[in-house]
Amino acid sequence: GAVVSQHPSRVICKSGTSVKIECRSLDFQATTMFWYRQFPKQSLMLMATSNEGSKATYEQGVEKDKFLINHASLTLSTLTVTSAHPEDSSFYICSARYAISGRDEQYFGPGTRLTVT
Amino acid sequence: GENVEQHPSTLSVQEGDSAVIKCTYSDSASNYFPWYKQELGKRPQLIIDIRSNVGEKKDQRIAVTLNKTAKHFSLHITETQPEDSAVYFCAARGGYSSASKIIFGSGTRLSIRP
Repeated sequence: GAVVSQHPSRVICKSGTSVKIECRSLDFQATTMFWYRQFPKQSLMLMATSNEGSKATYEQGVEKDKFLINHASLTLSTLTVTSAHPEDSSFYICSARYAISGRDEQYFGPGTRLTVT
Repeated sequence: GENVEQHPSTLSVQEGDSAVIKCTYSDSASNYFPWYKQELGKRPQLIIDIRSNVGEKKDQRIAVTLNKTAKHFSLHITETQPEDSAVYFCAARGGYSSASKIIFGSGTRLSIRP
């Protein structure tokens, strides 16, 4: 149980285009999902908290108009990087909150490596 | 908001010896402290966690201790093996007002020497 998938695993796009990344909880419902980005040899930096049916909460310094988050169902959250630039190239990882039967943990997706050329 | 500091940034130990990674947190309302292991290019994997109502938890060769007063928590790996080589992240989840978000430490790159 507590499996999180992410699609695509890798994407290369041209500067100025938009890219959508999907995060799915496969065997549980997640009212809360989180989006992180990770640069090489660095830690995971929280970008935003995604709550099903409501607007995402963005961390300080993260542009909400550039990183659009939609959490339309209890098993799917999407992150769209709009007007991508080379500096947006990074490893994007989602996580889903597993809060069932007294447990309250976070499980991560496999990540999406975005390269903007 | 919560701030988590982690030390050391790199750690090299002889196979069979113990490894200790230490973290501090800033938000006294934090109540959940997970540890993640991340291998190169892969997702972080939860290896052990501790909640604020206990001081120590052990799972085979891995143990975590928590000192709420000092706002310190540590990961202990005994009898280290080559497959323990990875980057380890400590993390803390804040209190109710934090919306359950988890903040990560900067990571420790652990290398096990054969």
